[in-house]
Amino acid sequence: EAGVAQSPRYKIIEKRQSVAFWCNPISGHATLYWYQQILGQGPKLLIQFQNNGVVDDSQLPKDRFSAERLKGVDSTLKIQPAKLEDSAVYLCASRLGQANTGELFFGEGSRLTVL
Amino acid sequence: EDKVVQSPLSLVVHEGDTVTLNCSYEVTNFRSLLWYKQEKKAPTFLFMLTSSGIEKKSGRLSSILDKKELFSILNITATQTGDSAVYLCAVIQGAQKLVFGQGTRLTINP
Repeated sequence: EAGVAQSPRYKIIEKRQSVAFWCNPISGHATLYWYQQILGQGPKLLIQFQNNGVVDDSQLPKDRFSAERLKGVDSTLKIQPAKLEDSAVYLCASRLGQANTGELFFGEGSRLTVL
Repeated sequence: EDKVVQSPLSLVVHEGDTVTLNCSYEVTNFRSLLWYKQEKKAPTFLFMLTSSGIEKKSGRLSSILDKKELFSILNITATQTGDSAVYLCAVIQGAQKLVFGQGTRLTINP
């Protein structure tokens, strides 16, 4: 079974530039999450999709971050314009979406460095 | 505000020691608690706990949940250098939202 695919793995940009990350979840997984993990901290939820609908985006900085999952499969996360504090690993994860199907499968992450 | 707090934040022990990692939580509409191990890449799943008092075991690792006192512990016996990692605790709430703790960085010295 193929895992959660993310790209790019690494990205270095200057502040005020834009960047986009892509995620393809495990086939059939209805729930998709984007997390931001700053060095030394636990993952922080940015947005959660159920199929192509947004379940929770309360912690997404909407003035600069946006995410979509138009066909309910793959998803993109965009940052525009980037700030220094956006330097982090952006983790995508997916689940089947059924209650108590606990395991969350993570991608390898996209490491962003903002200079 | 929902929160998941792990302790200690960092722990250094010698190979062969036993360690206990703690996770306490205050969340609305609790469903389950998960433990993950994170080495240099993505977190990998260890356990899911839903019921109080039922220990889950996998080799040298075990975990238990106390829903009355709102905490969980992760035990690792006879530690090995390969156990060095960040251990993350996460809570599943209502609509399957996962809230993570800040993690415990465990270092096992030979």
